[in-house]
This record gives sequence, C-alpha cells and structure tokens, in this order.
Amino acid sequence: EVQLVESGGGLVKPGGSLRLSCAASGFTFSDAWMSWVRQAPGKGLEWVGRLKSKTDGGSTDYAAPVKGRFTISRDDSKNTLYLQMNSLKTEDTAVYYCTTHISSWLVSWGQGTLVTVSS
Amino acid sequence: DIQMTQSPSSLSASVGDRVTITCRASQSITNYLNWYQQKPGKAPNLLIYAASYLQSGVPSRFSGSGSGTAFTLTISSLQPEDFATYYCQQSYSTPVTFGQGTKLEIK
Repeated sequence: EVQLVESGGGLVKPGGSLRLSCAASGFTFSDAWMSWVRQAPGKGLEWVGRLKSKTDGGSTDYAAPVKGRFTISRDDSKNTLYLQMNSLKTEDTAVYYCTTHISSWLVSWGQGTLVTVSS
Repeated sequence: DIQMTQSPSSLSASVGDRVTITCRASQSITNYLNWYQQKPGKAPNLLIYAASYLQSGVPSRFSGSGSGTAFTLTISSLQPEDFATYYCQQSYSTPVTFGQGTKLEIK
C-alpha cells in the first residue's frame, strides 16, 4: 500500500524558512515523479511544483508564486521528498500535500501538513 | 498558463440524482484532464484520469468524458458519501492547474 507522510509544518514568521518532508513507502520511490500541492484555508488546490525521477532527468518545475523561493529535492536512499521554503509570505499559509504521479495524474496523496506564516 | 473553469461552483442535489459537473480549459489539453474528490479535512482522491478512465476502486457511478477544451464528470446516482468538493486538473503542460472546485451539497 502506498503511504505518503508529510511532516515539518508549523508556525513561521514572514521572511522565515521551513523545510517539509514527505516519507514514502509502498512503491519504488526512486522511479517516481513527485509533486507538492497546497491548499490555503477554505480555498482550492494549487500546484506548487514537481520533481522528476533521476532516471527521467531529475528536473524540477515550479509554480510562478513560489519560483525562486521554494526548492523541491529528494533523497532516494531515504525514500523522502523535501520542500525547502524560503522567504515565506503570509499567502503561503496552507496545507501542503505530497503527491505521487502515475503518468501525468496525481494518484496518491499524503494527509497534508499545515504551514502558517504569521507574525 | 492554462486556465481551468468549472461550473457550477456549487450544486445542491438529492440522493439518487444524476449530476454533471463541467470543466473547460482555456486551450486544448487533448485528454490530459483528471478529476479529484475532496471531503472536508481530507486529502483529495483521484476519481478519473485521462478524461475518461476510472481509477481503481472508484465506484462505477462516476464517469468522465470530453476532449480538447470541454469535459464533464457525471455521477449517475448520487450516494450520501458523494457529497464533497470536486476538482478538475489539467496535466497537459506545466504549470499544472486546477479548476476552482465544485461543492456538491445535499438538498
């Protein structure tokens, strides 16, 4: 069974940094493309970015609102995905979900971790 | 960026009703269209991928159709557990974009 467990959320001041982790199990993590999707309180889903598998080049793509501030990385030896978030803004407040792809659809999702950016 | 527009934004219906939700893309996305269901406090769940393929484990009362710019999600006979918010998502190009959601409520 696929499991994705996010951690690392919490309260951070504007301008601060936070690193989220996503521990994966139940599938071959090193072969998987992974994405982060967020959801602000009471709002819809917003794609944050994607990281391809190393065998597919390992490249990343980001949404415009986070490009240059957020970095997605992976440690295949630990079956873990990361989201490094710098220069955080109040509008980054959201639940952050880790997801895995089959082809181009997001087939499995973690339970999410809440990030609150507030002074 | 490709804009995804769902209609309606909210919908009231009764158990047993047939319901259709529409999703339109701002440009052709061929069949790179996926549908997700989200219940309050829970992560989204994939229902339909590639416009019309039912994800494993999803009840057959859910179906999807369309191609190009116009797509529909149909629930043939609403069940109590179907009251949730539904999102379409295009995966044709990055940035991946979602529709704004359709909240399906009990009448």
